[in-house]
Formats: sequence, structure tokens, C-alpha cells
Amino acid sequence: QQQVKQSPQSLIVQKGGISIINCAYENTAFDYFPWYQQFPGKGPALLIAIRPDVSEKKEGRFTISFNKSAKQFSLHIMDSQPGDSATYFCAASSGGGFKTIFGAGTRLFVKA
Amino acid sequence: DAGVIQSPRHEVTEMGQEVTLRCKPISGHDYLFWYRQTMMRGLELLIYFNNNVPIDDSGMPEDRFSAKMPNASFSTLKIQPSEPRDSAVYFCASSPSLGEPQSEQFFGPGTRLTVL
Repeated sequence: QQQVKQSPQSLIVQKGGISIINCAYENTAFDYFPWYQQFPGKGPALLIAIRPDVSEKKEGRFTISFNKSAKQFSLHIMDSQPGDSATYFCAASSGGGFKTIFGAGTRLFVKA
Repeated sequence: DAGVIQSPRHEVTEMGQEVTLRCKPISGHDYLFWYRQTMMRGLELLIYFNNNVPIDDSGMPEDRFSAKMPNASFSTLKIQPSEPRDSAVYFCASSPSLGEPQSEQFFGPGTRLTVL
């Protein structure tokens, strides 16, 4: 019940295309859903996050869509660029968010 | 701010040896986390501290692993004795307890551990 399931494992997108990564969770106590971006040799860094009281959050080219009833959320990267090539992790936490459960990660490659 | 600092960045050791990983969190952050990242298991939370006190160590794999936080600016993760299956990248992260988003964790660059 603590798991966060992420798909796909890897994704190849043409420059300018839309990258979509999906996540699903079971624990309805989760109340904070961040996405982290990790470049090779670096630690993960927060990209964008959402709380379940909203269905969508947009920051620049990055959008989180959240479906509370389905217990699913997704990351959309519009106009994908080669510099977006990285591993993306969805995550979930509850009670202030200090114990965070991470998805398995999606390796995104944007072809120039 | 220099961000979360971890040392060493790379560690190669032989099975049975003691390994100590070090972390300096961002000044003013009340929470400190230790994670392990492997291809097979992804990013796993090992333990986290609040105000230098361990809050949840349920992710620590076994008694060979121990973590301490003697003060607000320093933490260690020790593996004794080390085994080849401990080979992974170990991340330290810190988080402030106030503000929005209150749950953002700031990760260090990681320590790549190889146990031969």
C-alpha cells in the first residue's frame, strides 16, 4: 500500500514533442505528490509538486495532472528539449511529507 | 549556500571493511534523510532525522547499517562489515520544516560505493 507505481521505465521523444509519465498510488493518506528530476551523476532535484486539492498544476513547460478518484497523477513535458533528458521520479508522502515514497523512475531521452 | 555536501564522492572498499559516509545538510534545515539508490530497487529511504533525533529507521536494511547525527550540521552512515550487495549510490538530503513547499527535499550529489 506504500508503493508508488511509475510507467514507463524509459521514454524516447522527439524534440518539440510531449513527454508523458504516469504514476499510481494506493495509500489515500498521501497528500503531497512531488516530481523529481535527476541528471547523471547528480542527486534528484524537485521539479514540480501538487497537493490533492487541485487537479492540475503548471510551471512553464511542466504540468502535473492529478486524478484523486483514480489515485493517479502524471507529468507532462510540453515542447520537450534535449536538455530535458534525465530520469524523472514521481513520489508521494503524507503527514507533512517527510517520509517520501519514490516511484521506480523513468529515463527520458529527447532526440534532437 | 553550498547545498548538501557529501563525502567521499566515490568509495571503493573490500568486503568486510567498515565504510563511513558523511553528510553536511543545508544550514537551518531541520530534517535529514539518507537514501540508497540501485538499479534494482530504485531510491529507498533508509532513515531520517528531525532535529538530530532519528525518527524512522525502518528502511535500514540490517544491523550492519547505522546512522548518527551528533549535531545539526553533520551526519554519518556507517556500514560494518560491508558486503558486495551494499554497492549503490547513497544520497543524503535535507529539508526545512517550515515554508511552502514544506516537503521539498534537497539532495546532495551522492556517494558511489563499490564493495569488492
